Amino acid sequence: AQRVTQPEKLLSVFKGAPVELKCNYSYSGSPELFWYVQYSRQRLQLLLRHISRESIKGFTADLNKGETSFHLKKPFAQEEDSAMYYCALRDSGGYQKVTFGTGTKLQVIP
Amino acid sequence: KAGVTQTPRYLIKTRGQQVTLSCSPISGHRSVSWYQQTPGQGLQFLFEYFSETQRNKGNFPGRFSGRQFSNSRSEMNVSTLELGDSALYLCASSLATGVDTQYFGPGTRLTVL
Repeated sequence: AQRVTQPEKLLSVFKGAPVELKCNYSYSGSPELFWYVQYSRQRLQLLLRHISRESIKGFTADLNKGETSFHLKKPFAQEEDSAMYYCALRDSGGYQKVTFGTGTKLQVIP
Repeated sequence: KAGVTQTPRYLIKTRGQQVTLSCSPISGHRSVSWYQQTPGQGLQFLFEYFSETQRNKGNFPGRFSGRQFSNSRSEMNVSTLELGDSALYLCASSLATGVDTQYFGPGTRLTVL
């Protein structure tokens, strides 16, 4: 069974400090990994996906198959980054079942 | 394009009742997935529909069911409501399958008294 683990419920960092939101996964095949973000009073939205290898709002995430991790990083946190962040894994087979982690609340302290 | 819409946005029911939630996907999207979001369990996958067929189902009891219509709109039904069913129910749509991005609706907040 596929599983996504986000070990931190809350991560508090000061503005300008580096951010790393941890995500580990368990999956037998080749996973598709995503990071979703939910700002206060807004709907859940895709932040980035590993196949795109892009940087969105200064965030990057590298898929490490050896460590089965997909940590989200940003070198300098901004106050507007405060939000809930969810790591998600999608079945790369014929079905699209998506499994979400429990989420990490990022709090950027001014 | 209009985003994913869900109706109603808020709902209050009592134990034992049943409820139907509706989701209208983005125009052209054929896949609709449903999730339950609670503070304790986070986001949990309920089921996914594509072209009117249920393609996948999460680990929820049979009281939770859904369907998809020919216009891709989807409904989910919960029968014999329990207090623990109180949650935010999210719907997400995508073009089809594979690597398509899911777009989420605002959710329906269900409170069971």
